[in-house]
Amino acid sequence: GNSVTQMEGPVTLSEEAFLTINCTYTATGYPSLFWYVQYPGEGLQLLLKATKADDKGSNKGFEATYRKETTSFHLEKGSVQVSDSAVYFCALIRLGYSSASKIIFGSGTRLSIRP
Amino acid sequence: EPEVTQTPSHQVTQMGQEVILRCVPISNHLYFYWYRQILGQKVEFLVSFYNNEISEKSEIFDDQFSVERPDGSNFTLKIRSTKLEDSAMYFCASSPGLINEKLFFGSGTQLSVL
Repeated sequence: GNSVTQMEGPVTLSEEAFLTINCTYTATGYPSLFWYVQYPGEGLQLLLKATKADDKGSNKGFEATYRKETTSFHLEKGSVQVSDSAVYFCALIRLGYSSASKIIFGSGTRLSIRP
Repeated sequence: EPEVTQTPSHQVTQMGQEVILRCVPISNHLYFYWYRQILGQKVEFLVSFYNNEISEKSEIFDDQFSVERPDGSNFTLKIRSTKLEDSAMYFCASSPGLINEKLFFGSGTQLSVL
């Protein structure tokens, strides 16, 4: 079946550290891949996406590259800030689907950044 | 910026009791959803709602669950007789159309069943 596995948290880093949150997926065909972020007290919101192999999604200094050969979509940021503290969810949707009911989420990774 | 509002943020109930979780979707959105996340597990789709009826539901959404849009602004999830395993974070979401990239989530209601 289709699934997403992401690294367990919490992840705690110092400000300006390099961030990687790992995400791997299992899917039939070639899904679209997403990272969602949930800031404290807010709802999940789309952070970035990639729709085909080798695509790089980017937003707010975060990047993730769609790697078909390793079925991965790791989230990276070169220098994190305290304001990046949030829960990050990796997700996929199968090729040919667009309804929100078909999004498959991971379990989320909590990130805490120390000043 | 418009947002999806969920109330309450925390709800504690006794097993067997009915509970209603409330959501106010973004006003011009047409599609409404409920998801849940049991602690430590994945966010799971429960149900989608369009044009005053359920458009899709998962196998989790059994006869104990129901949804309603009682007026022009609220969207509710009712659990008739709560079980311990219903304890979870429940997220409401809405979108203007079917495309998942325009999905807006609320901040969730943490339901604890004792």
